[in-house]
Parts: sequence; structure tokens; C-alpha cells
Amino acid sequence: DIVMTQTPLSLSVTPGQPASISCKSSQSLLHSDGKTHLYWFLHKAGQSPQLLIYEVSSRFSGVPDRFSGSGSGTDFTLNIGRVEAEDVGVYYCMQGKHLPLTFGGGTKVEIK
Amino acid sequence: QVQLQQWGAGLLKPSETLSLTCAVYGGSFTDYYWTWIRQSPGKGLEWIGDSNDSGNTNYNPSLKSRATISVDTSKNQFSLKLTSVTAADTAVYYCGRGISRWGQGTMVTVSS
Repeated sequence: DIVMTQTPLSLSVTPGQPASISCKSSQSLLHSDGKTHLYWFLHKAGQSPQLLIYEVSSRFSGVPDRFSGSGSGTDFTLNIGRVEAEDVGVYYCMQGKHLPLTFGGGTKVEIK
Repeated sequence: QVQLQQWGAGLLKPSETLSLTCAVYGGSFTDYYWTWIRQSPGKGLEWIGDSNDSGNTNYNPSLKSRATISVDTSKNQFSLKLTSVTAADTAVYYCGRGISRWGQGTMVTVSS
């Protein structure tokens, strides 16, 4: 299985300040289809997971543009340009290149 | 806008079979993979498996062949069965359309 490693485990952010989460995969996520199958989710307490970013850097429908993704190969980053109170929750990266799909351990974001 | 509504028994005894169903409202039932994931208490997200509308399925090997995902295209529904459950299967289970849209989640507790 592809192992996904996220850092940090938790993040406490002042509203309006930026935040960054790192995700590293044990193998390259570049597929022969030319796409890199790295995804970012936000899981808020008591809610279903929300897809934020697909294929490294494309924002899913309705996701605010303060969320951006970058990276290639095995190293990826989720950036939140200016954190808002509604952004609290656990962020997960996920690889979709090989089955079984696997998630990172999660990064808990809270507001100071 | 597609909506997924899921249901099933929330309390099971060890060795029983978990059974959950997810109904899909709005949007096409074909052209997608239909997914199950779970989150155990205090842990991250785990992919269980998926199926397309033709019944082509994929499963997480960690479940050791206990999982079965089936689809009923006549009802726009898909289901998860997990046999021989133990306390380790206690989790919130989510159904999804691919990885982009998710049901509300069902808490399943396994306890004697």
C-alpha cells in the first residue's frame, strides 16, 4: 500500500493568517494517464468529508479560492491563504493512484 | 445536485454482519464508482471499497474478504455488507459517489 504521511499533526492558526499542511507519499503519485492522483479533504466534526482539491491543485466545485494545492511526485502541500473560523476540522490528503486508496493520518486545524 | 442518504443497523454484536444501504438522489447512477469509507473512533479515514454500476468491485485487502459491495440500479442504491464484525469495526461509515460526494454517515457500534 502507498503510505501517506502528513505534517504537522495539528495546527493552531490566528484568523486571517495563512496555514500550510504537508503530505508525502511513499511512491510517486504520477499516473501513466498523466495525472497526479493526490486529493485533499476537510472533515469537520459531525459532518461528512468534503473534497477540497483534486489532482494536486484543482479546486472542487464551491471551494473558496483561499484553498490551494501544490506539489508533484511524492511531496504535496495544501495552503490556506487566510484562515477563517469555518476552516476548523481535520484535513486529510489521499492518494488515488493505486488500490487500496489510502489517506494520510490527518492534520487538525483549530483557531487561536 | 446529487444527494446520498444512507441507513442501516447501528448496534451489532461480535460475529454479526454489518449491513448498510445508500440511496442516490439526483444525477446519473451510471458512469460513477460508488464508494464506502469509514472512520474509527479517534482514528483517520479508511477506504473500504467501491463498485461501479456494472458490479465491478474493488476492496481494501485489510478487510480480509469480509466486505461485499453491491448495487441495485433499479433503485439507484448500493449496499455494504461486512461479515464477522468485531469491536475493531466500530466506526462511522460513509457512502460516497466516487470521492466527491458523501452521505451523512452512519455510526456502527460492535459490542457484546
